[in-house]
Amino acid sequence: EPEVTQTPSHQVTQMGQEVILRCVPISNHLYFYWYRQILGQKVEFLVSFYNNEISEKSEIFDDQFSVERPDGSNFTLKIRSTKLEDSAMYFCASRDRDNEKLFFGSGTQLSVL
Amino acid sequence: AQSVAQPEDQVNVAEGNPLTVKCTYSVSGNPYLFWYVQYPNRGLQFLLKYITGDNLVKGSYGFEAEFNKSQTSFHLKKPSALVSDSALYFCAVRWPGGYQKVTFGTGTKLQVIP
Repeated sequence: EPEVTQTPSHQVTQMGQEVILRCVPISNHLYFYWYRQILGQKVEFLVSFYNNEISEKSEIFDDQFSVERPDGSNFTLKIRSTKLEDSAMYFCASRDRDNEKLFFGSGTQLSVL
Repeated sequence: AQSVAQPEDQVNVAEGNPLTVKCTYSVSGNPYLFWYVQYPNRGLQFLLKYITGDNLVKGSYGFEAEFNKSQTSFHLKKPSALVSDSALYFCAVRWPGGYQKVTFGTGTKLQVIP
């Protein structure tokens, strides 16, 4: 089965630093998502992306967050100035137009010190 | 706002017994409903979905779920639990009609006891 890949698997950063989390969605998919999960608990929606623009975003996704699909294959999440509370597992997901099934990557564990 | 609720943080069941993991959703139109499973240190994996049609939907690994509109529920079931079913289970909802956001419940940890 095709896979969504995420890099890096672990990212450690200092508070106030910028981080970029990278994802390669499945090649023919059109809808892209970022979610985060803190301490293996609730899975929180951050943003959805379609047709090269954000379609929806949550209250968590403030001005410090941005997403980009720079080259038709990668899908990135940037946090401009990280805070301690940004520490979480970040998941990328994608789906195609006709199938409601979301495919998730294995996640990036972000630790902000 | 769209939401789903999973009232149980954890469900324990003996191996071989039937299992049920509960989910209810907030009422607004005709939602799309899903179940996902998460094994330790992994991303979420799709189990099944309800879009329309037959209220009983079958999915991966012998799981099924029943859509009940009058009770706004979408409980996950399996006739005979396996130890390998032990994992974290998430109910999710998407409201169609231009909305792409998929909202997940808080998750239920299923523990199957040998």
